[in-house]
Amino acid sequence: AQTVTQSQPEMSVQEAETVTLSCTYDTSESDYYLFWYKQPPSRQMILVIRQEAYKQQNATENRFSVNFQKAAKSFSLKISDSQLGDAAMYFCAYRSRAGKSTFGDGTTLTVKP
Amino acid sequence: DVKVTQSSRYLVKRTGEKVFLECVQDMDHENMFWYRQDPGLGLRLIYFSYDVKMKEKGDIPEGYSVSREKKERFSLILESASTNQTSMYLCASREGQGPETQYFGPGTRLLVL
Repeated sequence: AQTVTQSQPEMSVQEAETVTLSCTYDTSESDYYLFWYKQPPSRQMILVIRQEAYKQQNATENRFSVNFQKAAKSFSLKISDSQLGDAAMYFCAYRSRAGKSTFGDGTTLTVKP
Repeated sequence: DVKVTQSSRYLVKRTGEKVFLECVQDMDHENMFWYRQDPGLGLRLIYFSYDVKMKEKGDIPEGYSVSREKKERFSLILESASTNQTSMYLCASREGQGPETQYFGPGTRLLVL
């Protein structure tokens, strides 16, 4: 069974600074998908960024980028130029080719003004 | 925009009551999911459905059942609510089994007394 580990229960960052959230996973599959989701306080969870394992190039979405290290089974999220609206709980998720998702425990990100 | 709605944001029930949580999506998605979210445990899959009248057990199905009579609606049923089912319940939907975005509802916070 796949497992997803987010080793940082809480992180904080100064507004306009950069922060990196860690995620590691365990799988025996060679093809899969990885995601970062954001859950703002009392609001719906939304997709931040996704990565397909067969793609070597790291995904980027505006201020959000990932560092995907397939051999190390690592999938970290970098948030550049942090904004107050980035404050949320962030979940790393693994999805197998069969479509089953496994989520990490989440990292609560605080942005300090 | 895809919309996933849940019938209640907050619910208070008594031990032993039968509880229905309703979820509706408006994008004709094949797949629908029920998760529970608990602090420090991330999201855990209760049940999912990949078609009308089809259902599959997730990782923690005990004490729950589901119903999908129409494509847009996926119901979670607690046959006899217990205090250990106090949690946040999230519904989600997505189109396929690949890297498609999974859309989440706003969640139902259930308190069982």
